[in-house]
Amino acid sequence: DAKTTQPPSMDCAEGRAANLPCNHSTISGNEYVYWYRQIHSQGPQYIIHGLKNNETNEMASLIITEDRKSSTLILPHATLRDTAVYYCIVRGYNNNDMRFGAGTRLTVKP
Amino acid sequence: DGGITQSPKYLFRKEGQNVTLSCEQNLNHDAMYWYRQDPGQGLRLIYYSQIVNDFQKGDIAEGYSVSREKKESFPLTVTSAQKNPTAFYLCASRPGGGAGNEQFFGPGTRLTVL
Repeated sequence: DAKTTQPPSMDCAEGRAANLPCNHSTISGNEYVYWYRQIHSQGPQYIIHGLKNNETNEMASLIITEDRKSSTLILPHATLRDTAVYYCIVRGYNNNDMRFGAGTRLTVKP
Repeated sequence: DGGITQSPKYLFRKEGQNVTLSCEQNLNHDAMYWYRQDPGQGLRLIYYSQIVNDFQKGDIAEGYSVSREKKESFPLTVTSAQKNPTAFYLCASRPGGGAGNEQFFGPGTRLTVL
């Protein structure tokens, strides 16, 4: 699986959009990009995933660059409850393991 | 309610004792996973199982053992050979087949070895 690089921490003002970047320059054609988040002392929560096209659901939007070497998770209107560690993961279609890096600690401030 | 159950939430053991952490799912998922998380760190994969009676080592399998006798259960044994077992342990499951399926996590068990 391709490795990912994320900034260790970010801050965001409440009500503003939070844009969390992820680099995955060694991604291959059949690998998906997943995003999860983990609120302190809980199990990670699935947010969104995509292959090539941009994706949107009720939680967030995922923007994947055309060359697929990077992506951005967008929380359109961050709230204090969005404070968490956000993990970007790349996993191949035929791989059943899921490996997490250190993630980005997002702090939403009032 | 469908989901993943891990029990207990907190577990204390004396050094040198084996301990088994429970993970049960009623989601009818084929694949199950065990992760370890240390304070301030990301998740590290211990073992995973794609089908019943089959499992593979992850990145940090030494000192751990698993079994998958039933689809809904994937217990993890932390043996006395694990040098530093105190950690937060997370179990997860996923429908089998294809990378487009999301992974669901349990609430975790915090193990403290005294």
